[in-house]
Amino acid sequence: GQNIDQPTEMTATEGAIVQINCTYQTSGFNGLFWYQQHAGEAPTFLSYNVLDGLEEKGRFSSFLSRSKGYSYLLLKELQMKDSASYLCAVYLTGGFKTIFGAGTRLFVKA
Amino acid sequence: EAGVAQSPRYKIIEKRQSVAFWCNPISGHATLYWYQQILGQGPKLLIQFQNNGVVDDSQLPKDRFSAERLKGVDSTLKIQPAKLEDSAVYLCASSSPSGTHSYNEQFFGPGTRLTVL
Repeated sequence: GQNIDQPTEMTATEGAIVQINCTYQTSGFNGLFWYQQHAGEAPTFLSYNVLDGLEEKGRFSSFLSRSKGYSYLLLKELQMKDSASYLCAVYLTGGFKTIFGAGTRLFVKA
Repeated sequence: EAGVAQSPRYKIIEKRQSVAFWCNPISGHATLYWYQQILGQGPKLLIQFQNNGVVDDSQLPKDRFSAERLKGVDSTLKIQPAKLEDSAVYLCASSSPSGTHSYNEQFFGPGTRLTVL
């Protein structure tokens, strides 16, 4: 079976750092995506990890541990506009298929 | 580069009625996806096309949902008859596995918000 777990909601303060965790159990693993989705809008690509370790891209970083089935998205210097849902998604081997977690709704408060 | 286009953006229908959604992917993208996203949940894959062939439709309720991608470009998703539980956002996405990246980044359209009364 395929299972992706992430917290339902998180709240953080503007200017702070927040870490959104994701654990997965899937049959076949190619890599892991993080997408951002603002309310009422389509998901947009943030990052893709295929190798273990940390990938940094501006204020956003993503970490992957394949052996532990674990990833996190780190958001630094939070801004109000970062209030959105963050979707963890696994890219499966073969067939170009991606399965999505339920998403973590992040609320950034002043 | 134009993005993924979808229409209509919003649709309200009565249960047991029919509805159709249209999607035009990014030019040159061979893979097209239809997702259903219920409020508060992640996107759930309904059907995936590679060119005009179906790769995966295992989660498509085939008694009421159908989809086609004639000529391997744009696609239509139909629901007939609709049920209350079909109320959701229907997202279309496209990707190009042979593109510049080794991974399969999906580009999403704005979605169609369906309300079934």
